[in-house]
Amino acid sequence: DTAVSQTPKYLVTQMGNDKSIKCEQNLGHDTMYWYKQDSKKFLKIMFSYNNKELIINETVPNRFSPKSPDKAHLNLHINSLELGDSAVYFCASSRDPNQPQHFGDGTRLSIL
Amino acid sequence: RKEVEQDPGPFNVPEGATVAFNCTYSNSASQSFFWYRQDCRKEPKLLMSVYSSGNEDGRFTAQLNRASQYISLLIRDSKLSDSATYLCVSSPGGFKTIFGAGTRLFVKA
Repeated sequence: DTAVSQTPKYLVTQMGNDKSIKCEQNLGHDTMYWYKQDSKKFLKIMFSYNNKELIINETVPNRFSPKSPDKAHLNLHINSLELGDSAVYFCASSRDPNQPQHFGDGTRLSIL
Repeated sequence: RKEVEQDPGPFNVPEGATVAFNCTYSNSASQSFFWYRQDCRKEPKLLMSVYSSGNEDGRFTAQLNRASQYISLLIRDSKLSDSATYLCVSSPGGFKTIFGAGTRLFVKA
């Protein structure tokens, strides 16, 4: 039973395309997150959702649009992909913001 | 100044050694602190939460010093399998979570 699952695991696409990454958690958590980890390995929060409501948007370009259809899902859609978007994107969830987070195993996005 | 700062290392230690990492945080309102471990090309995994009273889990001990705004992680009797990047995390509230850049540890036979 995977607690936080992301799909796809690998995504290779061309500049200018639009792509989506899906995330689902079966832990019953209220809070979900998207992180970006770049080539320097720095893990940076992009979005935080609580009970389907957007709480944090950390100066992410508006080409990135998260959508939470319900508490268990937080998907990330990216428009007009750029070279600088190449990174590993991690989804995570927690019971609440002060509790430890459980991470999905990441989506490796490569822009050609 | 970064909100959470860690020495990037790498720390190269022999098996059986004791190694300690420190991490400083800038927001005095931070309430929750954690140490995560991340293996190469894997997701971060919780190692331990850090409480004001300090906590210990086997060979791992975490301490919090609010006055000096730092947290520490001590690993005793290092194993080869401890080789990883250790991420310090602070939650200053408001649903925000700040990860440090990580400290790399290599344990050698």
